[in-house]
This record gives sequence, C-alpha cells and structure tokens, in this order.
Amino acid sequence: GAVVSQHPSRVICKSGTSVKIECRSLDFQATTMFWYRQFPKQSLMLMATSNEGSKATYEQGVEKDKFLINHASLTLSTLTVTSAHPEDSSFYICSAPRGGGGAANEQFFGPGTRLTVL
Amino acid sequence: GQQLNQSPQSMFIQEGEDVSMNCTSSSIFNTWLWYKQDPGEGPVLLIALYKAGELTSNGRLTAQFGITRKDSFLNISASIPSDVGIYFCAGHGSGTYKYIFGTGTRLKVLA
Repeated sequence: GAVVSQHPSRVICKSGTSVKIECRSLDFQATTMFWYRQFPKQSLMLMATSNEGSKATYEQGVEKDKFLINHASLTLSTLTVTSAHPEDSSFYICSAPRGGGGAANEQFFGPGTRLTVL
Repeated sequence: GQQLNQSPQSMFIQEGEDVSMNCTSSSIFNTWLWYKQDPGEGPVLLIALYKAGELTSNGRLTAQFGITRKDSFLNISASIPSDVGIYFCAGHGSGTYKYIFGTGTRLKVLA
C-alpha cells in the first residue's frame, strides 16, 4: 500500500503552547488530505479536509482558528493546534487518498500523533 | 458527525475460529473500505470494494459489498492471535468528498 508518514509520533506540551503536526505522502501526490481525531476506544472523527492551494474545509463544530491547517505542497499538510489545552489531548491521524485526490480513492492513513497537553 | 453502525461492537473468539462482522448504513454508498487498527497506530487498509455484490479476498480476509449498497461484511477465517485489534469500515457515497467511518469492532482472540 501507499505510505503516509506523520511527525511527531508523540508530543507532550504545556497548556497554552502551540503544536504542529506534519503529514506527508511519501510515494504519491495528494491534493487532498484528511485530518481525524480519535478519543480512546472510539472511532475516527473527521476534523477537516486539507486542500492543496486553497483553504481547508472544516467539519461542523471544529474551530478553524484553533486547528490551523496548511497544505503546503502536494505531499505535505500540517495541522497546528494553537493555544493547546488539556481537552485537546487526543490521537490525531491524517490520511491521504491515492489516485488524483478524489475522495473515492483508497485512503491511506499515517501512523498517528499522540498529543498530551499538561 | 455521521457514523456507520458496525456489529458486533466487540467479540472474543478462540484461535482458529472464523469471524464475521458487518457494517450498515441508512444511505447508499459507492465504495466500502475495511481497515484494521492496532493500539497506538493508524488504521491499515485491508480491503477496498467498489461495486455492489463484489466479493474480494486478501489472504484469510474476505469482504463483500452488499447488493443494496447499504451494507458490507468482513469475514476472517481461521483467526490467529495477531488478528487482535479494532476493525473499521468506511463508506463513501456520491455527492461528497468524505468517507464515513463505522463505530468499530474490537476483536480479541483467545489462544
């Protein structure tokens, strides 16, 4: 399958700081990437769709000023959690569809980033 | 957000047994994907289905795209301890760019 990487895999930060998470498609280009959040023992909840060359599309209830998304190139999307608070602690996972960016294509997930805010 | 119903929520089975799980939706989908997630890792794609009635295998795994296009099934034959994990279905319909994920089936295999 296709390879998607995420960095960092784990991050612990103090409340009030900002944290940047990178998502890269290593062997294919992706004009669209997706960011998910997963709480323990729960399913994946889509937060936003990252679009190369345009603004991200956020799901209802997700604060765009809190979770900044930048799709810098065809292989890189970043999620910045601004002014993080303990309730932002979660497992953040990105995915990228292979095959031209259309959502109907197979989605490949990154390994996830565990964020802990103290 | 919207989620698909997966059944069962969790199951304990003996090593060597076959496993079946399903995913149902209130709306029609054009694509079904099945993933496995191990603790602390991202989901890994197991099988992709693109046509109603399609039956696709990947080793001991077999998945089917329901004829009504509102459900999908995943079967695991002769389970082994490394099959432990959470299995998610994901569906994609027309008119949207998003995949909708199932609630997950947690599988535990007893050696």
